[in-house]
Amino acid sequence: AQSVTQLDSQVPVFEEAPVELRCNYSSSVSVYLFWYVQYPNQGLQLLLKYLSGSTLVKGINGFEAEFNKSQTSFHLRKPSVHISDTAEYFCAVSGLIQGAQKLVFGQGTRLTINP
Amino acid sequence: GAGVSQSPSNKVTEKGKDVELRCDPISGHTALYWYRQRLGQGLEFLIYFQGNSAPDKSGLPSDRFSAERTGESVSTLTIQRTQQEDSAVYLCASSLGRHTEAFFGQGTRLTVV
Repeated sequence: AQSVTQLDSQVPVFEEAPVELRCNYSSSVSVYLFWYVQYPNQGLQLLLKYLSGSTLVKGINGFEAEFNKSQTSFHLRKPSVHISDTAEYFCAVSGLIQGAQKLVFGQGTRLTINP
Repeated sequence: GAGVSQSPSNKVTEKGKDVELRCDPISGHTALYWYRQRLGQGLEFLIYFQGNSAPDKSGLPSDRFSAERTGESVSTLTIQRTQQEDSAVYLCASSLGRHTEAFFGQGTRLTVV
């Protein structure tokens, strides 16, 4: 069973436009949510995380995400993108999944910024 | 070192050979994960170590895959009798514990020819 679903495999946007990358999760218990970014030919690095508290989380490089428990979503947003934001973005969930504690990733969304 | 270190960075092996991939986590990190990333795809969970608890092996795709971890330090992922479909980047990550940020190594790119 898919625990993390990223609804868009590819998202092309123009530079300085806003962007939203969608993520939904399917665990019914407490979860901890993350967004990671993988720049071309580089390793994964953490963008932001939600553990508890405010549902609006701010991360690096101007990104933010909102945890919505009722919709089981954790969408990533940026009001104005830059060419350097071109990368693969992964949503991840840590929690009790399929009877075991795991850190599970979505399939990724490739964000391409066009000039 | 300050980060997660994986070796080798690249490995080309012949079909049917065994390979061993190594991961040195960040010192003090009790949790360690292995993932597989096929070309153009997401991260596929393989195995999770947490302290001295029994590892979660539920993601290992076949009995050709195994992994060990010595205490809270080095981990090795072994693939026996490699097949072409094993070609992928194998990523290791470590964290302080459950639900905390995972730090990733640069990965080992395995090519089975």
